[in-house]
Amino acid sequence: QKEVEQNSGPLSVPEGAIASLNCTYSDRVSQSFFWYRQYSGKSPELIMSIYSNGDKEDGRFTAQLNKASQYVSLLIRDSQPSDSATYLCMIKAAGNKLTFGGGTRVLVKP
Amino acid sequence: DTAVSQTPKYLVTQMGNDKSIKCEQNLGHDTMYWYKQDSKKFLKIMFSYNNKELIINETVPNRFSPKSPDKAHLNLHINSLELGDSAVYFCASSQVRTGSGYTFGSGTRLTVV
Repeated sequence: QKEVEQNSGPLSVPEGAIASLNCTYSDRVSQSFFWYRQYSGKSPELIMSIYSNGDKEDGRFTAQLNKASQYVSLLIRDSQPSDSATYLCMIKAAGNKLTFGGGTRVLVKP
Repeated sequence: DTAVSQTPKYLVTQMGNDKSIKCEQNLGHDTMYWYKQDSKKFLKIMFSYNNKELIINETVPNRFSPKSPDKAHLNLHINSLELGDSAVYFCASSQVRTGSGYTFGSGTRLTVV
């Protein structure tokens, strides 16, 4: 089992709908959770971080963390064509161990 | 000013050559990283330096050697380049003490021919 798993997609979403991305992880002592967005040919950029169970909202983005079930998700409300990108989940475990998931490609269709 | 800058942006070189990629951050972060992103877009950490000290050294060939002259700089030197080294290499930095996220450089696309 990979340490951090994401569905590679593409996740096709009509404009204005909600895109739901999931990330599962295997290390129970994982401490910090991050979502990055990467446009094709560009570097990853941080969009959300979450550290405790529950929901965290920032604009159209909501991160959800469930440590008991070992998953973190990202919701994108009112999806726009400019949201089309690859979304990377990153987990930071004890000892500063950092692991990225393989990314989920999102396609928002007008 | 660019927060994390790396040079060069593109690097095309022949097998067997030695090359370096430079990285500088002006964010005052205490930790810097090198990541490799392969053709399948999978991002894998290679090295991490905290205040000039190596703290993460993943399983990479010893042809790859990081050098940190100060906490604002982390360079990557690669000896005897191989075809499989072709990838995009990203430098990143973070402030570990505050648990901040990572700021990435724009990447260096290395092509070994």
